[in-house]
Amino acid sequence: EPEVTQTPSHQVTQMGQEVILRCVPISNHLYFYWYRQILGQKVEFLVSFYNNEISEKSEIFDDQFSVERPDGSNFTLKIRSTKLEDSAMYFCASSLQGGLYGYTFGSGTRLTVV
Amino acid sequence: DAKTTQPNSMESNEEEPVHLPCNHSTISGTDYIHWYRQLPSQGPEYVIHGLTSNVNNRMASLAIAEDRKSSTLILHRATLRDAAVYYCILRYSGNTPLVFGKGTRLSVIA
Repeated sequence: EPEVTQTPSHQVTQMGQEVILRCVPISNHLYFYWYRQILGQKVEFLVSFYNNEISEKSEIFDDQFSVERPDGSNFTLKIRSTKLEDSAMYFCASSLQGGLYGYTFGSGTRLTVV
Repeated sequence: DAKTTQPNSMESNEEEPVHLPCNHSTISGTDYIHWYRQLPSQGPEYVIHGLTSNVNNRMASLAIAEDRKSSTLILHRATLRDAAVYYCILRYSGNTPLVFGKGTRLSVIA
């Protein structure tokens, strides 16, 4: 069964550093998403991406965050200057038809900011 | 997205059926009912979705009330691997993102 692949599985970074989280969505999917989950809390929507542009973003997704699909297969989330409160699991997801028939999520990247 | 209400937690014995309820009294005519689950230390996983009629797939069944104000996810025979948080989510038929609530934490006892 096709999978969404995320790398790395765990990243530790110093506060103020830039991080890039990488995702390879399912190859024929057209819609891409990033979510995060702070330990013990809900899964929170960050951003959706379609046709090479952001289609929707939450208030969490401020100027410190950006997304890119650099080469037609990868989908990345960049955090410019990490803060302690950015520590969370970050999940990438993709869908074929805007999620009408379900999103496929990756297994996540655990980001720890120290 | 319209709101859903789920119990915080439920418990089931292994190999017994499990009925996970969800109330969504403010559902609109174009809202689909989606269920996802999140196993420990994993990303959410799509389970099933429906609009008006009951639905079955290899993972579960979805029973939707006639007035659509509630639904029930049915796991026909719970296994230890089904222990997870189950999320009931209403989603407008357009390309709006999934919004997760707190879900129901299902424990399965051997």
